[in-house]
Amino acid sequence: GIQVEQSPPDLILQEGANSTLRCNFSDSVNNLQWFHQNPWGQLINLFYIPSGTKQNGRLSATTVATERYSLLYISSSQTTDSGVYFCAVEGFGNEKLTFGTGTRLTIIP
Amino acid sequence: GAVVSQHPSWVICKSGTSVKIECRSLDFQATTMFWYRQFPKQSLMLMATSNEGSKATYEQGVEKDKFLINHASLTLSTLTVTSAHPEDSSFYICSAGRGVRGSYAEAFFGQGTRLTVV
Repeated sequence: GIQVEQSPPDLILQEGANSTLRCNFSDSVNNLQWFHQNPWGQLINLFYIPSGTKQNGRLSATTVATERYSLLYISSSQTTDSGVYFCAVEGFGNEKLTFGTGTRLTIIP
Repeated sequence: GAVVSQHPSWVICKSGTSVKIECRSLDFQATTMFWYRQFPKQSLMLMATSNEGSKATYEQGVEKDKFLINHASLTLSTLTVTSAHPEDSSFYICSAGRGVRGSYAEAFFGQGTRLTVV
């Protein structure tokens, strides 16, 4: 099946810093999503981005499907940004989302 | 975004009993729903695909007799953990997407259920 790797696994930043999270996948994808899992376990949809670039406030994402990677940018980090960020992909002909390994982000005041 | 509601949020049960978890799509119909399991500090692992009106499809290594899935309507799927044991303790999360079968589209997730078996 498709493999999804995220980097870095852990990231600790001071409040106000910017960060880039990466998601690499091993095959062509039909769908790619970024999620933020909060401390209570809820998965919050950030972006539905099988290709191209999107922005939502301090967050933006870019997927380069031909090179099989996606990037999530977080600017001016806040403590509420802390949590685990997952990317998840769906391969062609496969209705299932495969989750990446996750990046645990900790923002220090 | 679409709303997927999962209930209960947490449950503690005795070893040997069964627990039912409900997953509802509140503002759209979902022909397909998905059940995931997450252990502490790990990623989400797909357990099974729940198909409305037909049998669920289980991932390799998932015991279908232990994890019973029923998708009786276009807005409700249930996961029953039968004869639960402490090793079944985990965080269970469901998801649904707006796409028709064969076209998944954006997925939305329930709040998750934290199961503790004592």
